[in-house]
Amino acid sequence: DTAVSQTPKYLVTQMGNDKSIKCEQNLGHDTMYWYKQDSKKFLKIMFSYNNKELIINETVPNRFSPKSPDKAHLNLHINSLELGDSAVYFCASSPHLSRNTGELFFGEGSRLTVL
Amino acid sequence: AQKVTQAQTEISVVEKEDVTLDCVYETRDTTYYLFWYKQPPSGELVFLIRRNSFDEQNEISGRYSWNFQKSTSSFNFTITASQVVDSAVYFCALSEYNNNDMRFGAGTRLTVKP
Repeated sequence: DTAVSQTPKYLVTQMGNDKSIKCEQNLGHDTMYWYKQDSKKFLKIMFSYNNKELIINETVPNRFSPKSPDKAHLNLHINSLELGDSAVYFCASSPHLSRNTGELFFGEGSRLTVL
Repeated sequence: AQKVTQAQTEISVVEKEDVTLDCVYETRDTTYYLFWYKQPPSGELVFLIRRNSFDEQNEISGRYSWNFQKSTSSFNFTITASQVVDSAVYFCALSEYNNNDMRFGAGTRLTVKP
């Protein structure tokens, strides 16, 4: 069973479209994240949710909107896609702070290509 | 916020050579965790090791070894007798105890040639 799963794995779309990437974890973790990996391989945190509540929101355009319907899911919705949004997006999860070992459990990544 | 620096952008070695990947970090917390992840060409992030700030003992796992030195804020990674399958991008990362925010270095691309 996949611990952190993302769908779709690949997404090719046109500029201006709206798209979503879904993430689910079955580890019982309280905290979920989205990271963006650009073409130079740099990994940067975008958002972090703890028990459905936003706790980290880095400088990300407001075209990006995370949605957490429950603590096992954190979806990423992107409006009005731009060429610069092309990247690999990684979802991750971690246990509650009180049990925190710092480790993140990553999904396999979703490669978004904007044409 | 914490910061991780991997000064080596790319390293190329010939198979069987030893190679060391450098990692230097900055944090104001006294309790933190350091990590290394491997990202092979297939793209997934593979967890290699976690060290907490109170444990400076070096660790060896097969051909991999890690040298954690708080005095120099470094957490270096050595691959002994490198193999072609070690070719990947390697990331060092730091997570502070009081927040759920893992920060990554820029990564080092290792190429091992036959």
